[in-house]
Amino acid sequence: DSGVTQTPKHLITATGQRVTLRCSPRSGDLSVYWYQQSLDQGLQFLIQYYNGEERAKGNILERFSAQQFPDLHSELNLSSLELGDSALYFCASSGVGVYTEAFFGQGTRLTVV
Amino acid sequence: AQSVTQLDSQVPVFEEAPVELRCNYSSSVSVYLFWYVQYPNQGLQLLLKYLSGSTLVKGINGFEAEFNKSQTSFHLRKPSVHISDTAEYFCAVSAGNTPLVFGKGTRLSVIA
Repeated sequence: DSGVTQTPKHLITATGQRVTLRCSPRSGDLSVYWYQQSLDQGLQFLIQYYNGEERAKGNILERFSAQQFPDLHSELNLSSLELGDSALYFCASSGVGVYTEAFFGQGTRLTVV
Repeated sequence: AQSVTQLDSQVPVFEEAPVELRCNYSSSVSVYLFWYVQYPNQGLQLLLKYLSGSTLVKGINGFEAEFNKSQTSFHLRKPSVHISDTAEYFCAVSAGNTPLVFGKGTRLSVIA
């Protein structure tokens, strides 16, 4: 168990809909990262938050947004969903330091039908 | 910016045989290097990491990797694989306090 909790584990929704994925980082970790894993694109970095502030942005679509709350949990919002958004979405967290290990959650499998 | 190339998308190997999974990286700055493993329907778990010091890094489950700066490589090795090593393996790079950049993964299939 990595200590990173993601909910829900599975999500099936229709095209055009909006969903919210939730992530609770390991206790004490200030950084949260979101990744998308698909068969054709592999693991793509979406966005990073550090202590409530956006720290880095990757290949995140404008239809997607995220935030980190004062209790450090994070939510990834996906809207106007398309079939191509079907993927496994991972959250990871890490602590403070020049480099600290990133711990990954079990992921949320999103299926858009 | 950093990038990672995993040279083999699939590697089949017989049980108890040695295996090497290849990883090359590109970066204009010094980097930290990682190997993660993903078992079916699970998240990613860190196998080992290179931050500095000895270029030969030992990780969990008998895996090791060697950092070669001149060849910009970080190949993963295990002298004798088990059925339970069947999984997807990801090489990743970070330039310090930056998000991990992953390779596309190598699927290791261990054959009995």
